[in-house]
Amino acid sequence: GENVEQHPSTLSVQEGDSAVIKCTYSDSASNYFPWYKQELGKRPQLIIDIRSNVGEKKDQRIAVTLNKTAKHFSLHITETQPEDSAVYFCAASRSGGYNKLIFGAGTRLAVHP
Amino acid sequence: KAGVTQTPRYLIKTRGQQVTLSCSPISGHRSVSWYQQTPGQGLQFLFEYFSETQRNKGNFPGRFSGRQFSNSRSEMNVSTLELGDSALYLCASSLDQGGNNSPLHFGNGTRLTVT
Repeated sequence: GENVEQHPSTLSVQEGDSAVIKCTYSDSASNYFPWYKQELGKRPQLIIDIRSNVGEKKDQRIAVTLNKTAKHFSLHITETQPEDSAVYFCAASRSGGYNKLIFGAGTRLAVHP
Repeated sequence: KAGVTQTPRYLIKTRGQQVTLSCSPISGHRSVSWYQQTPGQGLQFLFEYFSETQRNKGNFPGRFSGRQFSNSRSEMNVSTLELGDSALYLCASSLDQGGNNSPLHFGNGTRLTVT
């Protein structure tokens, strides 16, 4: 069935370090991969997304890479700041899936000053 | 533009009761999806509506239902509440320009507690 595995479940870094979160998806028809950030008590917010016709996408300190062959995609955050502390979710969806996102279990990122 | 608005923010219900949650999408967004978020199961897809039609449905029992109105506002209903239905229910809207997936924009959710 459809499944997205996300690792690690928790990640602790020092301010200024980089953080990497990895996801693996099972549905080979998946072609859209968004990442959401959820701060405590708040709604998930889209931070970056990538489609299967692109291997990498970058937005300031955030980048996402996609390896379709291995069915892996990763989130990279450089120069982390305390305000990056949150739970990050990866997700996958297929074309014609009508906005059905399959989410990973989440990664709790803590950035220590 | 106003974001996705969900009401109420908090609800406390008793087992066996039913509940209706409301969602107003971003203006111009015609697709509305519903997700359940729990610590144990994470974020799970409930269903999606577009132009008043349910286009996709997740693996939830028939007690969970929804509908969409002509102004794209959506409601979801849970009947015969169980303790396990306690969760944060999130609504998301998207522009849905056809074909490709569009980014989902989530509301702040309704926190349902069943006692």
